[in-house]
Amino acid sequence: SYVLTQPPSVSVAPGKTARITCGGNNIGSKSVHWYQQKPGQAPVLVIFYDSDRPSGIPERFSGSNSGNTATLTINRVEAGDEADYYCQVWDSSSDHPGVFGGGTRLTVL
Amino acid sequence: EVQLGESGGDSVQPGGSLRLSCAASGFTFSSYAMSWVRQAPGKGLEWVSSISGSGGSTYYTDSVKGRFTISRDNSRNTLYLQMNSLSAEDTAVYYCAKASTTLSSPLDYWGQGTLVTVSS
Repeated sequence: SYVLTQPPSVSVAPGKTARITCGGNNIGSKSVHWYQQKPGQAPVLVIFYDSDRPSGIPERFSGSNSGNTATLTINRVEAGDEADYYCQVWDSSSDHPGVFGGGTRLTVL
Repeated sequence: EVQLGESGGDSVQPGGSLRLSCAASGFTFSSYAMSWVRQAPGKGLEWVSSISGSGGSTYYTDSVKGRFTISRDNSRNTLYLQMNSLSAEDTAVYYCAKASTTLSSPLDYWGQGTLVTVSS
């Protein structure tokens, strides 16, 4: 089955740039979606199809995907961005195609 | 406004069964794939199952295959997850989520979740 690998934690100072990676075999050939989850809340879609942003998500959030790594980038990080972030793909070649990464805890210092 | 509301979570003994429901409103339910995603206490998100808009296609993660059944009643705008032979490893908050279009599309709306606890 397809595996997505995320770093458990990323720390960044306010105003700086956070980059959260999601590794997978030839992930660049798949569409990657990113979700933000704050404590006690349901996940929220923040990036879809690698780099598209839903309405209401700040332009500070962006995504890219190439080779074996997809990246969620958060510019000018704010305290309110502190959350867990998950990447997700749909592996159409599998009979259990839904896959989430293990999640990354973003800490704003 | 899209709304998803899960219900049916409870505390159950190992080997028991539960049926979760997810009531949907604010969109044409039959036009969208739906999914169940779970989160064990203190752990990450785990995809459980998905169903196409018509209900004709279903997928499951390996650990629930043969024990869980996803279904939908498009006349009632409701998604279901029948869970049998439950074990402690099934303890989690279960979220229902709407796909933006088809099965492979992103999950653009989520419910608040319902807690399933499997314990003797």
